[in-house]
Amino acid sequence: QITLKESGPTLVKPTQTLTLTCTFSGFALSTDGVGVGWIRQPPGKALEWLALIYWNDDKRYSPSLRSRLTITKDSSKNQVVLTMTNMDPVDTATFYCVRRQTVLSSFDMFDYWGQGILVTVSS
Amino acid sequence: DIQLTQSPSFLSAFVGDRVTITCRASQAINNYLAWYQQKPGKVPKLLIYAASTLQSGVPSRFSGSGSGTEFTLTISSLQPEDFATYYCQQLNSYTYIFGQGTKLEIK
Repeated sequence: QITLKESGPTLVKPTQTLTLTCTFSGFALSTDGVGVGWIRQPPGKALEWLALIYWNDDKRYSPSLRSRLTITKDSSKNQVVLTMTNMDPVDTATFYCVRRQTVLSSFDMFDYWGQGILVTVSS
Repeated sequence: DIQLTQSPSFLSAFVGDRVTITCRASQAINNYLAWYQQKPGKVPKLLIYAASTLQSGVPSRFSGSGSGTEFTLTISSLQPEDFATYYCQQLNSYTYIFGQGTKLEIK
């Protein structure tokens, strides 16, 4: 059974750095083709992809947020960590952790999602 | 950067209706497109990947088509549980942009 779970602070102050951890089970991030990523969703708004880290430690970021994001992995602990700097109230959102899978080495999908964690940015 | 535009943004329909949602990409993405369904307060669920391949367990009334820059998600006969928000996502060139969503409501 594949599960992902987000953890971290639910309230951060403006200008602070947010650190979120995704702890997963049921698959290995060392497996060829697998990735773990982060997506956020402000209340009542659309999904926004943030970052993804691959089995080979390649990393990809949203172009609009690249300067604020860092994603790392600890495959031995089955964890992926996202940091987002200089938080602002507009960054208030539910943050989801996802598994990226690929089929036929070509077709990606986000097939498993964590339950999400609501992070509020407020002083 | 590739942009995705969904239309319509809002759709009202009856149970039993056939509905189609369109997703247009600002540049060609082959068939590297997925569709997700999100019900209020719930986690998004993968419906379709590679533009037209149904994820395991998804009812056959859902179908996807398209390639290049224009894609569609069709629900052949709406069921009460299908009323939700639908998102397309492009997965080309290691970027994973979402469309703005289409909210499907009961008429």
